[in-house]
Amino acid sequence: RKEVEQDPGPFNVPEGATVAFNCTYSNSASQSFFWYRQDCRKEPKLLMSVYSSGNEDGRFTAQLNRASQYISLLIRDSKLSDSATYLCVVNAHTGRRALTFGSGTRLQVQP
Amino acid sequence: GAVVSQHPSRVICKSGTSVKIECRSLDFQATTMFWYRQFPKQSLMLMATSNEGSKATYEQGVEKDKFLINHASLTLSTLTVTSAHPEDSSFYICSARTDEYEAFFGQGTRLTVV
Repeated sequence: RKEVEQDPGPFNVPEGATVAFNCTYSNSASQSFFWYRQDCRKEPKLLMSVYSSGNEDGRFTAQLNRASQYISLLIRDSKLSDSATYLCVVNAHTGRRALTFGSGTRLQVQP
Repeated sequence: GAVVSQHPSRVICKSGTSVKIECRSLDFQATTMFWYRQFPKQSLMLMATSNEGSKATYEQGVEKDKFLINHASLTLSTLTVTSAHPEDSSFYICSARTDEYEAFFGQGTRLTVV
């Protein structure tokens, strides 16, 4: 079983749509959670951290359910520029501080 | 924000040759850097943790004699792919973290071995 699992997609949505991505992680000791965005042939960039209380940044809302080991990302009012691969990322704080990446969910927003 | 510079961004080499990739933290000191590899349509896979002044820690299945890592200073880590073969063709990315949670990534190196 992968440490971080995501639906690879692609999710094809029209502009203005609301889309949700889900992610599950297997290591119950995981402490930090993030969503990164990766454009084609580019390096990943931090989109937002994910907190237990849930957090929002503009059109983006992230939720964490520790009991279910589940993370979500909601994008409202999708823009063409949101087209990218969204990576669910977990840090188990095992001492190395390395991040574990999901395989990513590809989003294609269409005009 | 913190910046990590990686180069070359793209390299094509002949099978059997070696390729060196550099990763620099430009405005902060990184005692630890991480090297990842990403094959098409797959996730970033951690290859090794590079520790300044000491030996790198390799993930299971990654050959330390093939992927040489040197972290000679607080701002520079290098990855050398020795005796490269076509199956080593991939996207290699380095990463460094400050004391905060965010990880900063280099621009990545696309290696093609012919």
